[in-house]
Amino acid sequence: NAGVTQTPKFRVLKTGQSMTLLCAQDMNHEYMYWYRQDPGMGLRLIHYSVGEGTTAKGEVPDGYNVSRLKKQNFLLGLESAAPSQTSVYFCASSYDLVYYEQYFGPGTRLTVT
Amino acid sequence: DAKTTQPPSMDCAEGRAANLPCNHSTISGNEYVYWYRQIHSQGPQYIIHGLKNNETNEMASLIITEDRKSSTLILPHATLRDTAVYYCIVRVGTDTGKLIFGQGTTLQVKP
Repeated sequence: NAGVTQTPKFRVLKTGQSMTLLCAQDMNHEYMYWYRQDPGMGLRLIHYSVGEGTTAKGEVPDGYNVSRLKKQNFLLGLESAAPSQTSVYFCASSYDLVYYEQYFGPGTRLTVT
Repeated sequence: DAKTTQPPSMDCAEGRAANLPCNHSTISGNEYVYWYRQIHSQGPQYIIHGLKNNETNEMASLIITEDRKSSTLILPHATLRDTAVYYCIVRVGTDTGKLIFGQGTTLQVKP
């Protein structure tokens, strides 16, 4: 039981390049989330999904797109990376929206130059 | 969601109890108090949550005051591995599922 995994662990992009971050969970959770964490700050929600085929915007969605084609996977895309998107990205999943804890992945450290 | 206030840092001696306070004076009746921690830039880890009763699990205890305006997370026998940033979060019972992380408390457990 791997829990929540994220790939890649590290990535350096040039401004304007695109990339996709992959999150996978093996706990059969319906709900999945993408957060970003800037230095010295708490996490902020980018997008989330309440089930396969559904996505919704969080606090800071601009510049990102997401897809949930399979229940176990949640993809985060950057179409045209900007230096302001340099951050650590965390994926999480949960059994439901409110009462159950969120399980977090190990994070992806992204640098945009 | 209600705002929380936590001290920026605390120290605790190894083996002693760590008591981490959190103020949430604007909390509503249906808002839960959650605690997560983040060890050295790893993904946050759930610790415990509660509504109005005190709660205990294998990791910690959560004490919520009767007026629910503040709470305390207790790690009964802190170890060096408990050194982390601890986040106190309040959540509405029927919101989007998002967790609003503040700055948290950096707990340093010292030998």
